[in-house]
Amino acid sequence: QSALTQPASVSGSPGQSITISCTGANSDFGAYNYVSWYQQHPGEAPKLIIYEVSNRPSGVPDRFSGSKSGNTASLTISGLQAEDEADYYCSSYITSAVFGGGTKLTVL
Amino acid sequence: EVQLVESGGGLVQPGGSLRLSCAASGFTFRNYYMNWVRQAPGKGLEWVANIKQDGSEKSFVDSVKGRFTISRDNAKNSLYLQMSSLRAEDTAVYYCARDRWELRATHYYYCGMDVWGQGTTVTVSS
Repeated sequence: QSALTQPASVSGSPGQSITISCTGANSDFGAYNYVSWYQQHPGEAPKLIIYEVSNRPSGVPDRFSGSKSGNTASLTISGLQAEDEADYYCSSYITSAVFGGGTKLTVL
Repeated sequence: EVQLVESGGGLVQPGGSLRLSCAASGFTFRNYYMNWVRQAPGKGLEWVANIKQDGSEKSFVDSVKGRFTISRDNAKNSLYLQMSSLRAEDTAVYYCARDRWELRATHYYYCGMDVWGQGTTVTVSS
């Protein structure tokens, strides 16, 4: 599978909303809805926060939302909180998983 | 409690071998596809390998094909990664992670890697 491209960093102030994009290099990404997002705090294991483009696992706040248009998926975090500061990875799955390069979110 | 615990990491010389283990508890291990995912120091996540529930199907990222093997022992609720011909670029934290698939009507749908271990560190250096 081809790579997924994410911005290296994004930032926002508490209470604001931010969006992280994830662009797939070929049409496979656009054709399938197996896009997941993971949150990783320093020194910790990744945590699944979005699956199938826009579904949240139990326990994930509804401030986290996902969407996809064509070859680009997006993760939006609304009402930013200090604890949202972390690295975020998108992932797609066809016969195996591939991850984006990750985006560092800084809460100013 | 659903849990994955990795072990077996350490310092190994280039060209050497290492076997990682992942002990699962709190869920029916034999029902799940399992993965190894790694993260080099200061870098992003990289999927390494996965294995079907019964071990009959395995996939690897190109960079480890022919050097790494993945296996599982469902009787012991354990996942393994045998690594050989190790290179400096294999230095990373290695995580095991569970795939979640959901049955809806007559089809299964992929729902991400929903359980992760804490990771074990592999350092390849002379």
